[in-house]
Amino acid sequence: SYVLTQPPSVSVAPGQTANIPCGGANIGSKSVHWYQQRPGQAPVLVLYYDNHRPSGIPERISGSNSGNTATLTISRVEVGDEAEYFCQVWDSTSLHPGVFGGGTRLAVL
Amino acid sequence: QVQLVESGGGVVQPGSSLRLSCAGPESSFSGYTLHWVRQPPGKGLEWVAVMSYDGGGRYYAESVEGRFTISSDLSRDTLYLQMNGLRREDTAIYFCARGSGHSATYFYEYWGQGALVTVSS
Repeated sequence: SYVLTQPPSVSVAPGQTANIPCGGANIGSKSVHWYQQRPGQAPVLVLYYDNHRPSGIPERISGSNSGNTATLTISRVEVGDEAEYFCQVWDSTSLHPGVFGGGTRLAVL
Repeated sequence: QVQLVESGGGVVQPGSSLRLSCAGPESSFSGYTLHWVRQPPGKGLEWVAVMSYDGGGRYYAESVEGRFTISSDLSRDTLYLQMNGLRREDTAIYFCARGSGHSATYFYEYWGQGALVTVSS
């Protein structure tokens, strides 16, 4: 089955740029979706189809996807961005198609 | 905004059964895929199951296949997850989610608040 790999944590200072990678075999051929989850809350969709933002998600959040890595980028990081971020794909060729990355904890120092 | 509300969680013994429900607003399921996603305490998200609103296209994670069954009642705008043969490793918060997209890819724009299932003797 398809595997998505994320680093457990990423640290960044306020005002800087955070890049959260999501690795997978030829992931560039798939659509990648990203979720933000704060403690005790349900996940919130922040990007879909690699780089599309739902209504209400700030332009500071963007995404890219090529080769074997998709990346969630948060510019001008704020303390409020501190959360867990998960990437997700749908492996339509599999009998078990839903796939999430292990999650990355963004720490704003 | 589509509000999904799960119910039916609780504490059960290993080997027991439990049914989770997920209620949505009127006609909120038609045309979409419906999913269950779970999260063990302190861990990441795990996709569990999917079905199309019309009852087709049911798929399961390997870890639950043969034990869990996803179903829905469109007349009640309710999604279900029947869980049989529960194991300690099934302990998790279970989220229902409405899937948007198309058959090559789905993403989850709307989630429920989650229902905690604890499997313990």
